[in-house]
Amino acid sequence: DAKTTQPTSMDCAEGRAANLPCNHSTISGNEYVYWYRQIHSQGPQYIIHGLKNNETNEMASLIITEDRKSSTLILPHATLRDTAVYYCIVRVWGSARQLTFGSGTQLTVLP
Amino acid sequence: DTAVSQTPKYLVTQMGNDKSIKCEQNLGHDTMYWYKQDSKKFLKIMFSYNNKELIINETVPNRFSPKSPDKAHLNLHINSLELGDSAVYFCASSLPDRDSPLHFGNGTRLTVT
Repeated sequence: DAKTTQPTSMDCAEGRAANLPCNHSTISGNEYVYWYRQIHSQGPQYIIHGLKNNETNEMASLIITEDRKSSTLILPHATLRDTAVYYCIVRVWGSARQLTFGSGTQLTVLP
Repeated sequence: DTAVSQTPKYLVTQMGNDKSIKCEQNLGHDTMYWYKQDSKKFLKIMFSYNNKELIINETVPNRFSPKSPDKAHLNLHINSLELGDSAVYFCASSLPDRDSPLHFGNGTRLTVT
C-alpha cells in the first residue's frame, strides 16, 4: 500500500548532516509528504511535513523537488540519538489505507 | 504528561481469548487511530475514528473492533485471539485537518501463545 520508496539503510558520522531520500513518483497534487521516525521500542515520532515548499523546523529540513516526485529529509547535525528508522509517507485524506507506512530507512549514526 | 498513553504495555494471552487494549490522549484531538506493527516492522493502519466517521482498513478481521467511550479514548477489542495477532499495536491521534500530524503512543506488545 505504501506509495514511497526509500533506501533500506544508511550510515552517517556523528556531527555531520544526514540526508535521507524518498521517492514518491505517483504523488498527487493534494497529497502531503510526511516524515516520521521510530527509535527502537518506541512509537513513531512526527518530524516534519510539506506540500510543495521546502520546510524547516527545530528537528530537520524537508526539501521537496519542484515536480514533487521526490524529497529529502535533512538532519543538519546528526547525533547518536538520531539512530532510528525514518519513514516517508504520502498522506491522502479520507483513505485509511493510505496512512500505511513503508519499510523506512534505518539510519545509523556512527561515533 | 504523556500525550498518548496505552495500557497495558505488554499483554500475553492464549489463543481464543478476548482482550482489550486501552488508549487515551490528552491533546484534545478529534481523530484517533490504531496501527499494527508486525514482526517485519511494517506499520499498517487498522482504523481511524472520530465522532463522525469510522474508517476501517478492509484487511482487518472483524474480530478487531474499536470502541470509543468519549473523544479522548479509543480502545481496541480483539475477540478469539489467534497466533497471527501477535504484534505491537500503536494508538495515535491527530486533529481532523488534512495536514495534521499523528502523535503516537509507545505501543502495546501483544503475544498470543
